[in-house]
Amino acid sequence: QQQVKQSPQSLIVQKGGISIINCAYENTAFDYFPWYQQFPGKGPALLIAIRPDVSEKKEGRFTISFNKSAKQFSLHIMDSQPGDSATYFCAASPHMDSNYQLIWGAGTKLIIKP
Amino acid sequence: GAGVSQSPRYKVAKRGQDVALRCDPISGHVSLFWYQQALGQGPEFLTYFQNEAQLDKSGLPSDRFFAERPEGSVSTLKIQRTQQEDSAVYLCASSTRRGMDYGYTFGSGTRLTVV
Repeated sequence: QQQVKQSPQSLIVQKGGISIINCAYENTAFDYFPWYQQFPGKGPALLIAIRPDVSEKKEGRFTISFNKSAKQFSLHIMDSQPGDSATYFCAASPHMDSNYQLIWGAGTKLIIKP
Repeated sequence: GAGVSQSPRYKVAKRGQDVALRCDPISGHVSLFWYQQALGQGPEFLTYFQNEAQLDKSGLPSDRFFAERPEGSVSTLKIQRTQQEDSAVYLCASSTRRGMDYGYTFGSGTRLTVV
């Protein structure tokens, strides 16, 4: 129940295309869903996050879509650029003061072809 | 510095050796977290500090792992009698607020290789 399942494991997209990464969770207590971007040799960096009171959040070229009933959320990268090539992690956590652990997906290695 | 600093960047340890990994969080950040990231996997929670108090150590895999943050700033993760399965990147993250609402800032990690 603590797992977050992420797919695909790897993804190749042409420059200018849309990259889509999906995550699913089981624990209905989760109510904070961030996406992190990690470049080789670096720590993950927060990209965008959503709470389940909204179905979509957009920041620039990055959009999170959230489906509470299906317990799924996804990251869309519009107009994908070679600089977006990185590993992307979804994560989830219950929003309670006493429970702050992030449960992470296994990651998606995204390659944007020029 | 402006970010979370971890040292050393790389550590090779012989099996059975003790190691100490250091984390300098962003100045003033209350919360500090340690995560373990195996190759090709997402990070896994190890332990959490709020100031100098270790509020959660449930993710530490064995009693060979010990973390401290005595003055509420720098933290050290110590691994005693290292084993090959301890090989991973150890990530430290800090946050200005309690919990992760505002996102963690991660360091670049320490890559530990046990041979």
